[in-house]
Amino acid sequence: TQLLEQSPQFLSIQEGENLTVYCNSSSVFSSLQWYRQEPGEGPVLLVTVVTGGEVKKLKRLTFQFGDARKDSSLHITAAQTGDTGLYLCAGEINFGNEKLTFGTGTRLTIIP
Amino acid sequence: DAMVIQNPRYQVTQFGKPVTLSCSQTLNHNVMYWYQQKSSQAPKLLFHYYDKDFNNEADTPDNFQSRRPNTSFCFLDIRSPGLGDAAMYLCATSRGRGGTEAFFGQGTRLTVV
Repeated sequence: TQLLEQSPQFLSIQEGENLTVYCNSSSVFSSLQWYRQEPGEGPVLLVTVVTGGEVKKLKRLTFQFGDARKDSSLHITAAQTGDTGLYLCAGEINFGNEKLTFGTGTRLTIIP
Repeated sequence: DAMVIQNPRYQVTQFGKPVTLSCSQTLNHNVMYWYQQKSSQAPKLLFHYYDKDFNNEADTPDNFQSRRPNTSFCFLDIRSPGLGDAAMYLCATSRGRGGTEAFFGQGTRLTVV
């Protein structure tokens, strides 16, 4: 059973368009992170959300943590080709057990 | 400066021949993780250490072992690699105890021939 489901699995859009990626779970997470991974490299942390309902912005990226801390979304405004990559959400279910579980991933391709 | 370093970047091994992948960190983090990532899939946790406490995932095959001789180093040993073990192996660290932001190495791409 996959604890963190991401949708869509694949997304291909034109440069300049907006998009939203979702991360959903039936479990409550004490914190949730978003990473971006480029081919042949390790994932790189983008943001951590901790509080239910929290919204964080990173330039054109907006991250939201659900009120119940079971889901999260990533919205990209005016996508650029540099946004291409594998986007992964990851969470810690039980505070303090260090176990970081990754979502199923969304592979995003931005077409010039 | 690289904070989590994996060696080698690329490893080719023969079917059934033991292989060791290494990871070192300069962050002095308590937790070190090993993930397996196959093409177009999300990373799958194999095991992690909190200091010297080893935590194995229930579905990690016995073929995979790990050692953490000190805070800075962690090793992944694959005792008898099969073709299905070909993958990217990612090492990561975190502070732990509520600070699970993970810092990843560049990974080791393992090929089994």
